[in-house]
Amino acid sequence: HSALTQPASVSGSPGQSITISCTGTSGDVGDYNLVSWYQQYPGKAPKVMIYEVTKRPSGVSNRFSGSKSGNTASLTVSGLQAADEAEYYCCSYAGGHSPWVFGGGTKLTVL
Amino acid sequence: QVQLVESGGGLVKPGGSLRLSCAASGFSFSDHYMSWIRQAPAQGLEWVSYIDSNGGTIYYADSVKGRFTISRDNAKNSLSLQMNSLRAEDTAVYYCAMLSNHHVGQWGQGTPVTVSS
Repeated sequence: HSALTQPASVSGSPGQSITISCTGTSGDVGDYNLVSWYQQYPGKAPKVMIYEVTKRPSGVSNRFSGSKSGNTASLTVSGLQAADEAEYYCCSYAGGHSPWVFGGGTKLTVL
Repeated sequence: QVQLVESGGGLVKPGGSLRLSCAASGFSFSDHYMSWIRQAPAQGLEWVSYIDSNGGTIYYADSVKGRFTISRDNAKNSLSLQMNSLRAEDTAVYYCAMLSNHHVGQWGQGTPVTVSS
């Protein structure tokens, strides 16, 4: 499976909403409702923000939401805050002998 | 609380070997699938290997197949990655990861591996 496709960067002003897309294929994103999103600050380990397309782990702000249409999943961050500035990665289960595939990452900049 | 602590990273020459370890605590280790995920410098995340709860099912990324071996000891709550025939392109931070419902529920802090002569 090839890496999922994410935009290299997105930006928004405080209080605004942004959406990060994650495009895969019918063999991964399109076939399974098992897309997850991770937030990573420089020099730190990633942290799960969304799993199973739309679910939020306990403790994650409800400003983060996920969705999926066809082969494309999306992460929406509403009410942007400075602390949201980070790298975001999507990941999808893909089955078979290489079960997981990541996106290339998107740098979110809060202007 | 859930903790994953990696160790064993370091500098190794091309063709050399290294063994990474991950000490798990704060959860029922034997109930969870585990993975190793790596991140090359200034690059994205790459899934490396997966092992199910009792070690009966193991997968590897094509890039490490035949060179890396994942294993676990449920009695000691530990996960390992034996890395042989290391290449420059294996240089990365290696994360131990606890899987929950097909996503990474918890990450370790990472251990850096540098392959260079």
